[in-house]
Amino acid sequence: DAGITQSPRYKITETGRQVTLMCHQTWSHSYMFWYRQDLGHGLRLIYYSAAADITDKGEVPDGYVVSRSKTENFPLTLESATRSQTSVYFCASRGGRDLYEQYFGPGTRLTVT
Amino acid sequence: KNQVEQSPQSLIILEGKNCTLQCNYTVSPFSNLRWYKQDTGRGPVSLTIMTFSENTKSNGRYTATLDADTKQSSLHITASQLSDSASYICVVALIFNTDKLIFGTGTRLQVFP
Repeated sequence: DAGITQSPRYKITETGRQVTLMCHQTWSHSYMFWYRQDLGHGLRLIYYSAAADITDKGEVPDGYVVSRSKTENFPLTLESATRSQTSVYFCASRGGRDLYEQYFGPGTRLTVT
Repeated sequence: KNQVEQSPQSLIILEGKNCTLQCNYTVSPFSNLRWYKQDTGRGPVSLTIMTFSENTKSNGRYTATLDADTKQSSLHITASQLSDSASYICVVALIFNTDKLIFGTGTRLQVFP
């Protein structure tokens, strides 16, 4: 049971490039989330999705795009990467009988040069 | 403004000792409070989730307490082990959307032999 996985785990890209971070979960959870984690800040919600084809903005959505064509996948795209988007990105999911529990992936460390 | 503050920012203890981490929050209206453990290079993992009606909850050597009147929570770790070295994050959920979480910046705990 793989649970929730993210790829790549590490990525270096240049300013202005488009980059997509992948998230995949094997539990068929309805809800999926993208967070970023920066020093001095708690995790901040970028986007979330309640089901396939349903997405909504979180606290810091600017510069990011998401899609959810399949329940198990929730990719996050940085359309034109900026240095301020250098961060660690976590995907999470929630579903089943857990009313509150979110399960986090291992994270993607993204560096924008 | 909804905020979660944790103290201390960092803590060093010897293996076998107990410690207590603090969390104060100003989130309102409040639904539940969670404590997560985050190992270096990994995603957060849930330790406990408490609703506003719960005062204490345990998970092995971890015991969380909640005082909803004073808006304070603590996480007590008993008989610490080297594997307890991690960041501990306090997270509060709002009552009208329990998926929109307010994260603290964490307490970095180091356990030395």
